[in-house]
Amino acid sequence: DAKTTQPPSMDCAEGRAANLPCNHSTISGNEYVYWYRQIHSQGPQYIIHGLKNNETNEMASLIITEDRKSSTLILPHATLRDTAVYYCIVWEKGGKLIFGQGTELSVKP
Amino acid sequence: DAGVTQSPTHLIKTRGQQVTLRCSPKSGHDTVSWYQQALGQGPQFIFQYYEEEERQRGNFPDRFSGHQFPNYSSELNVNALLLGDSALYLCASSSGGLRQETQYFGPGTRLLVL
Repeated sequence: DAKTTQPPSMDCAEGRAANLPCNHSTISGNEYVYWYRQIHSQGPQYIIHGLKNNETNEMASLIITEDRKSSTLILPHATLRDTAVYYCIVWEKGGKLIFGQGTELSVKP
Repeated sequence: DAGVTQSPTHLIKTRGQQVTLRCSPKSGHDTVSWYQQALGQGPQFIFQYYEEEERQRGNFPDRFSGHQFPNYSSELNVNALLLGDSALYLCASSSGGLRQETQYFGPGTRLLVL
């Protein structure tokens, strides 16, 4: 079973920041948090990952709480092309990714 | 730099047939993982290949088998196809086998079993 829980859906206005939450209360000390997104019927796209520090790249920012039990993916200026299903995944030893249901983000004009 | 490629993009088979799907990993990657994604669901891990051996396996029957070649490309074979095998099959590549490394996905092969 997936180690993460996410809201099933969220809306965001175009141009505003999209903040996608994820709970991973049973995460272990050396397990990374990964975020992927999947645009309809395409392969999942890697976005960002982190262990305990906040991370930022050209796509997004990842904020991980100090106790590591939750995290938030931030898309700073959402566009219509960011409409997708976003998956938060705890990387488990051995390398298999266990996907949950994800959050369906709808960016609206 | 070519990303992960998969072939074919779409495939239609009938029940009882066998199918082979192919994956070429991203340049520099030596590990290939396969996932099945049914409609409306998240991807489910099938198995992972590293150094031409199956290293990990998910909860899938023996009808699902695979192979990895010396150039790191991989095949997924499914025998005795069932209607329930209709899905998007995804290949992901990474480096270093079981090490914590980012997996990059291909576009997938859409399989329809009639």
